[in-house]
Amino acid sequence: DAGVTQSPTHLIKTRGQQVTLRCSPKSGHDTVSWYQQALGQGPQFIFQYYEEEERQRGNFPDRFSGHQFPNYSSELNVNALLLGDSALYLCASSLAGGATDTQYFGPGTRLTVL
Amino acid sequence: QKEVEQNSGPLSVPEGAIASLNCTYSDRGSQSFFWYRQYSGKSPELIMFIYSNGDKEDGRFTAQLNKASQYVSLLIRDSQPSDSATYLCAVTAAGGSYIPTFGRGTSLIVHP
Repeated sequence: DAGVTQSPTHLIKTRGQQVTLRCSPKSGHDTVSWYQQALGQGPQFIFQYYEEEERQRGNFPDRFSGHQFPNYSSELNVNALLLGDSALYLCASSLAGGATDTQYFGPGTRLTVL
Repeated sequence: QKEVEQNSGPLSVPEGAIASLNCTYSDRGSQSFFWYRQYSGKSPELIMFIYSNGDKEDGRFTAQLNKASQYVSLLIRDSQPSDSATYLCAVTAAGGSYIPTFGRGTSLIVHP
């Protein structure tokens, strides 16, 4: 049973650049959520995708955008990178309509903005 | 704004002891409660979830939920050095959105 996968593992960018992170959900899952986790903090919800639509969004600026593909995989795009965007970006998958909607996390992408 | 509070620690316990991790939440309508373990530099790993008041046991782990007092706790029996990690509490509200709000986590150190 394939778990959640993310790529790349690490990424270094400079301010102002754009970045795309990728996620494939756990087998059988159809919902993908993205989180940002700064050092020493809990994950902060960015947005959630279901049926190729953004279903919910957290308190993040429009520089953060995403997409979900028909195979349920997803991308997170961040434009005009700021130093403060340096963090661990986590993708979590779940099954919509479940009683619990338990989320399972991928290994994360460590983004460093210089 | 929904808040989930955890003592950041570190909580230090000797090997073989019971580690008790606590979490309080502000939204009285919260529905589902999760505990994740996160090793340094890794992603969160689900340990267990609980929905109903009372205790839920899974191996060495016991989750305790008290909705009236708005707290959830995680007990780790027979703590091992390999349990040393940050433990994240996550809470989802009622209403179907199922987007969990995470606490900042409690760092647990189990020393031999």
